[in-house]
Amino acid sequence: ETGVTQSPTHLIKTRGQQVTLRCSSQSGHNTVSWYQQALGQGPQFIFQYYREEENGRGNFPPRFSGLQFPNYSSELNVNALELDDSALYLCASSVQGQETQYFGPGTRLLVL
Amino acid sequence: ELKVEQNPLFLSMQEGKNYTIYCNYSTTSDRLYWYRQDPGKSLESLFVLLSNGAVKQEGRLMASLDTKARLSTLHITAAVHDLSATYFCAGTSGTYKYIFGTGTRLKVLA
Repeated sequence: ETGVTQSPTHLIKTRGQQVTLRCSSQSGHNTVSWYQQALGQGPQFIFQYYREEENGRGNFPPRFSGLQFPNYSSELNVNALELDDSALYLCASSVQGQETQYFGPGTRLLVL
Repeated sequence: ELKVEQNPLFLSMQEGKNYTIYCNYSTTSDRLYWYRQDPGKSLESLFVLLSNGAVKQEGRLMASLDTKARLSTLHITAAVHDLSATYFCAGTSGTYKYIFGTGTRLKVLA
């Protein structure tokens, strides 16, 4: 069974740029959630995707957007990057209706 | 909306000692999770607590849940250096999102 994978592992961008982060779900999982973890903080829920549609969203501005593909993999896109977007971005996959989520290794984003 | 608070935020303890991390939550949560995170790493699932009175143990860690008090605890018995990490509890809000506490950074001193 393949676990949750994310790419890239690390990324450096400058303020104002756009970034795309990728996540492959664990085999058999149809739901993907994204979290932002700033240094020294707990993860904050960004949004969740199920059946290629957004299924819930946290308190993040519209410049944070996502996609889910038919194979259940997912992308997180962030436009107009700000310094405060520097964080570890975690995706988690699950089966809809079963609450346990399995986290990937994360992508560390640094915005300069 | 569900809020989750942990205390203490920082914990420095000697090897061989016992201690408890507390996790309070503000409204009903269907489940309560405990995770471990090593520096620069992702979250490792430790426990899932499903019902009032649930108790789970793995090695030197034991977690419990009191839904009436809206309290979960993570008890560390005879701490060893390898347990040094940040520990998070998380409740669930609806069926789709986890609400995490701020974490407890544990350092076990030899």
